[in-house]
Amino acid sequence: RKEVEQDPGPFNVPEGATVAFNCTYSNSASQSFFWYRQDCRKEPKLLMSVYSSGNEDGRFTAQLNRASQYISLLIRDSKLSDSATYLCVVNMITGKLIFGQGTTLQVKP
Amino acid sequence: NAGVTQTPKFQVLKTGQSMTLQCAQDMNHNSMYWYRQDPGMGLRLIYYSASEGTTDKGEVPNGYNVSRLNKREFSLRLESAAPSQTSVYFCAIFEGTETYEQYFGPGTRLTVT
Repeated sequence: RKEVEQDPGPFNVPEGATVAFNCTYSNSASQSFFWYRQDCRKEPKLLMSVYSSGNEDGRFTAQLNRASQYISLLIRDSKLSDSATYLCVVNMITGKLIFGQGTTLQVKP
Repeated sequence: NAGVTQTPKFQVLKTGQSMTLQCAQDMNHNSMYWYRQDPGMGLRLIYYSASEGTTDKGEVPNGYNVSRLNKREFSLRLESAAPSQTSVYFCAIFEGTETYEQYFGPGTRLTVT
């Protein structure tokens, strides 16, 4: 079983839609959690950290459920520029940083 | 790609050849990582170094070796390249406890024929 699992999609949504991505992790010793964005053939970039209390950055909301070992990302009012692959990332207490395989989002006009 | 440089950007090798991918940072971060990315596979961790002087295996270490030469530099060596090692290789740095900084290098596109 992979340590971090995501639905690869693709998610095809119209502009203005709300879309949610989910991720599960298997190691309960995981320490910190992130969402990254990757555009085609480019390096991944940190989108936001994820906290148990939930955190918001503009149209993006991230949530962590430690009991269920589950992380989510909600994007409201999708823009064409949101089209990318979204990667769930878990940082272990050892310093190991593990990526999920990514979920592809395509926002259509 | 502020802070992380990778060389080379592109490389073609024949099966059995060796090469070293170089990574250097100027951010003074403790943790450095090597990943490979194949279509549909996401990023898979090859090796990482949580601090200067330490290295640990990741998810797919076979066929690779690493050296954390100093705090700035973390190299990845392919001793005998195989076609299965055709991939895009990314070096990354990471730091933080409550707030985080993380950067990737631009990647090395390696083809083994």
